Order: sequence, then C-alpha cells, then structure tokens
Amino acid sequence: EAQVTQNPRYLITVTGKKLTVTCSQNMNHEYMSWYRQDPGLGLRQIYYSMNVEVTDKGDVPEGYKVSRKEKRNFPLILESPSPNQTSLYFCASRRTGANQPQHFGDGTRLSIL
Amino acid sequence: ILNVEQSPQSLHVQEGDSTNFTCSFPSSNFYALHWYRWETAKSPEALFVMTLNGDEKKKGRISATLNTKEGYSYLYIKGSQPEDSATYLCAPNAGNMLTFGGGTRLMVKP
Repeated sequence: EAQVTQNPRYLITVTGKKLTVTCSQNMNHEYMSWYRQDPGLGLRQIYYSMNVEVTDKGDVPEGYKVSRKEKRNFPLILESPSPNQTSLYFCASRRTGANQPQHFGDGTRLSIL
Repeated sequence: ILNVEQSPQSLHVQEGDSTNFTCSFPSSNFYALHWYRWETAKSPEALFVMTLNGDEKKKGRISATLNTKEGYSYLYIKGSQPEDSATYLCAPNAGNMLTFGGGTRLMVKP
C-alpha cells in the first residue's frame, strides 16, 4: 500500500530535549516536505526537499532541521524544542512537478512542556 | 509568503443542499492550484490539481473551476451529504512550495 509513515504519532516531552520525528514514503517520490498546523493559522510549510541531499527552508523553518540522505526518508529534527513548537506536524511527499498532488502522513502531535 | 484567502471560513448546510466555496490567491508566478479535503482526525487528501486558466475538474458530486488571470478558484458540492463534512483546503503552487489557505469547514446536517 502506497503510504507516508510518520513516527511517533504522539509525543509529550520537555523543553530542550532533542527529538526527531521520522517520515518515510514507499512511493519513490522525489519531493518531500514538512508542515505544521496550528489553530487559526492553517498548514504552514517548515522545510522541503526536492530530492536526495537537496533541502530548502519553507515559511517557518526556525528551530527545525531536516536531512535527506535517502530518497524515502525525511526526518524532522528539533534540536532544542520549545513550547511554541507544540503543534500538529504533517509530512508529505509527491512526484516532481507543481501539478502533482501531495500525499500526507497521518500526522504527529507534539506537546512541548 | 503568498496571501491565500478562503471563504467562507465555515458553512453549515442541510443534507441535499448544494454549496460552493471560494479560494483567492495572487495570480502572478502561478503554476498550479491544489484542493484538498481534510476530515477530522485524518490527514488531508488530494481532490484536484488544476493548472490552466478555465480548467474544470469533477469527481462525483464535487467539481472545481480555476481562473488564473483574476486569481480565484471555486469548489462546488452538489447535493451535500453528511460524509462531505470536512475542511476543504486550497493551495496555490507558485514555485517549489504550496501555500495553504485557512480552509472552509463544511458541516452537513442530516
């Protein structure tokens, strides 16, 4: 089954404790991206990757890092999480091309205390 | 950051009613316009991707039109059903990124 898999689905942690949210897709998609969703603000793009070893900042990259060492994986790293990063996070992937639809993972709800 | 506006923010209709929503976006540097359907506790799912001015797409009772010159798209739902209840998101692609609007939350009462 074609899918985008995120882990963990839920996490409660404390300020400053480094964490990584993994994202993996099995559709051989070149493009992957991370979004956060906050009430009243809609989905905002954090980082995206056009292909292996190519990453770029989205609209809200501060406090996040990403890497794209393999085509299928695109982890989101919070080196020193803070409470304002409490949010619902989605990973997505698509084929190359602006007219290609994005496939979203099931989401990861992070709470930073 | 693109300014993408969707209206209305929320909508309550009766089962069987037809309805439509609007997505407004900057018409410059336009590549494609995406529509997604997002049910509560699930992830967004792609409905349509449109690229050409005058494009019309249809999937069952749901259809969409695109005007790239004036920067808007309409989503229509004919004969709404309770299972259509969801948030509908539009997102223009003006480069390598999608910029999502705030969505229209549709609630269909049986």
